[in-house]
Amino acid sequence: QVQLQQWGAGLLKPSETLSLTCAASGGSFTNYYWSWIRQTPGKGLEWIGEIKHSGLTNYNPSLKSRVTISVDTSKTQFSLKLTSVTAADTAVYYCTRQYSSGYYSDYWGQGTLVTVSS
Amino acid sequence: EIVLTQSPGSLSLSPGERATLSCRASQSVSLTSLAWYQQKPGQAPRLLIYGASYRATGIPDRFSGSGSGTDFSLTISRLEPDDFAVYYCQQYGSSPLTFGGGTKVEIK
Repeated sequence: QVQLQQWGAGLLKPSETLSLTCAASGGSFTNYYWSWIRQTPGKGLEWIGEIKHSGLTNYNPSLKSRVTISVDTSKTQFSLKLTSVTAADTAVYYCTRQYSSGYYSDYWGQGTLVTVSS
Repeated sequence: EIVLTQSPGSLSLSPGERATLSCRASQSVSLTSLAWYQQKPGQAPRLLIYGASYRATGIPDRFSGSGSGTDFSLTISRLEPDDFAVYYCQQYGSSPLTFGGGTKVEIK
């Protein structure tokens, strides 16, 4: 049974860095891509980017300048950092497993609400 | 990027009725790379359909997907109480991956 457990700070001030981590268990870590998706009431679901166990990444161009996704294969974890956050980054952030690069997400974490407020 | 437009925005139906949801893409989605998800309040989305018409593991056969090019649809043949939720389409044929705005299926 594949499980994704995510955690990270839920309240940030503008200009701070968002940092979330997701631990994958119950399946192969190396055969899939791992991604982050966020959801806001205004913009809906937005794909942030993906990473493979090798460290190969792809990012959404709209966030690319501020996003870093990294991986720790020894812990089967991957992480999201988003710099210089503003209120527009307030969202529920999900980690997901993707079948392959640029593919659908077949497993999702529970979601983390991140609020940016001064 | 490909923009996905879902219609209607909401659908009010009774259990046992048929639901048909539409997803239209701003340009052709390559290789029918279109997925559908179901989301209930407070939960993460759940994959229902991938490849436009293939049901994900454990998804009942009352859910079916069809379409190609720019026009896709999700049909729920007979609504059950557990099916009332928001449904999203997603294209993964070109980067960045994008989602539609959702269709809410409500109990009439």
